[in-house]
Amino acid sequence: AQSVTQLGSHVSVSEGALVLLRCNYSSSVPPYLFWYVQYPNQGLQLLLKYTSAATLVKGINGFEAEFKKSETSFHLTKPSAHMSDAAEYFCAGGRAGGTSYGKLTFGQGTILTVHP
Amino acid sequence: DVKVTQSSRYLVKRTGEKVFLECVQDMDHENMFWYRQDPGLGLRLIYFSYDVKMKEKGDIPEGYSVSREKKERFSLILESASTNQTSMYLCASSLSTPSAEQYFGPGTRLTVT
Repeated sequence: AQSVTQLGSHVSVSEGALVLLRCNYSSSVPPYLFWYVQYPNQGLQLLLKYTSAATLVKGINGFEAEFKKSETSFHLTKPSAHMSDAAEYFCAGGRAGGTSYGKLTFGQGTILTVHP
Repeated sequence: DVKVTQSSRYLVKRTGEKVFLECVQDMDHENMFWYRQDPGLGLRLIYFSYDVKMKEKGDIPEGYSVSREKKERFSLILESASTNQTSMYLCASSLSTPSAEQYFGPGTRLTVT
């Protein structure tokens, strides 16, 4: 069964610093991978997704993620954090084969805090 | 602009009450989902529907049922609410393709007292 693991339930950075949120997946078949963001009291919003077209994926708000098959990772980065980036981030994976297309497995979430 | 709406943002119910959470999407998506979100546990799938009147249990279906009579509407039912069902409930929808992303509603924060 596929699983998605986010390393670190809380990450704290200073404004202007690099943001790195870690995600590893477990699957014998490279999956489709997603990063979502959730601002307080809101639903989840898609940041970016990997669909095998390119290993480096650019998303909204200056975020990007790189798919590394050898490391089974899909870490999310942003060169310079902004106060408005403070939120909870979820990594998710979808299967490339089988039935039930559209089902996703979510990681546990990482809360990003940005200090002035 | 795509939209998933949920009937209530906040809901307070008493133990033993029957609770209905409604979700509507306007994107003609085949798939609809109900998740429960609790701190430190991420999103856990309760039920999934891939077509009208079709459903599949998720990871934590106990204590819940669902109904999908129309393509755009997916209801989550708590037959007899309990305090351990106090949580944030998120509805989502998607196309039925392998790379499809899910679109989420704003969530319903349910408190059972």
